[in-house]
Amino acid sequence: AQTVTQSQPEMSVQEAETVTLSCTYDTSESDYYLFWYKQPPSRQMILVIRQEAYKQQNATENRFSVNFQKAAKSFSLKISDSQLGDAAMYFCAIKIIQGAQKLVFGQGTRLTINP
Amino acid sequence: DTGVSQNPRHKITKRGQNVTFRCDPISEHNRLYWYRQTLGQGPEFLTYFQNEAQLEKSRLLSDRFSAERPKGSFSTLEIQRTEQGDSAMYLCASSLAGAGTDTQYFGPGTRLTVL
Repeated sequence: AQTVTQSQPEMSVQEAETVTLSCTYDTSESDYYLFWYKQPPSRQMILVIRQEAYKQQNATENRFSVNFQKAAKSFSLKISDSQLGDAAMYFCAIKIIQGAQKLVFGQGTRLTINP
Repeated sequence: DTGVSQNPRHKITKRGQNVTFRCDPISEHNRLYWYRQTLGQGPEFLTYFQNEAQLEKSRLLSDRFSAERPKGSFSTLEIQRTEQGDSAMYLCASSLAGAGTDTQYFGPGTRLTVL
């Protein structure tokens, strides 16, 4: 079974600054995908970034990047140049490639952007 | 690409009543998933379909819950004899099997309140 832990229930950052959200996971599988999703208040879940476990290079999407440490089973999200629109719940999730197709989510981190 | 849609967006019902939710996936997606999200938590997997076949069900899906996906297009999730503990956001997601990471795209959810 897979588990995902987000140890920071809440984080805040000043607009234009950089913030890092933490995520650790546990799985006995070697092939899997990792995701960060964003859920703004009363709005739907949106994919932020994804990482294939077999790729050593960290994924990057504009202001969003990850620090993927496979041996440590760590998958943190860095948001650069934070904007007011980045305020949301952020969920880390894992999906194994073979077998169960479900996403297993962490408990989420609520990110507040201070103007 | 119109995205995943869900209806209704909100449902208030009395304990003991039956409710049915509908999900329309992204048109070319062959996989469809249902998740349940309670306040302040990450989504939890309920069930998933590949085309019209229901391939996986969570232990969370009690006998009062049933899901269908006739003809491999839209899906319905029915809850019979609702209980107050069923109050949650019910999320639907869809994906295209074999497309890279098989990323799941979420709908806006149906918020169920059981009085």
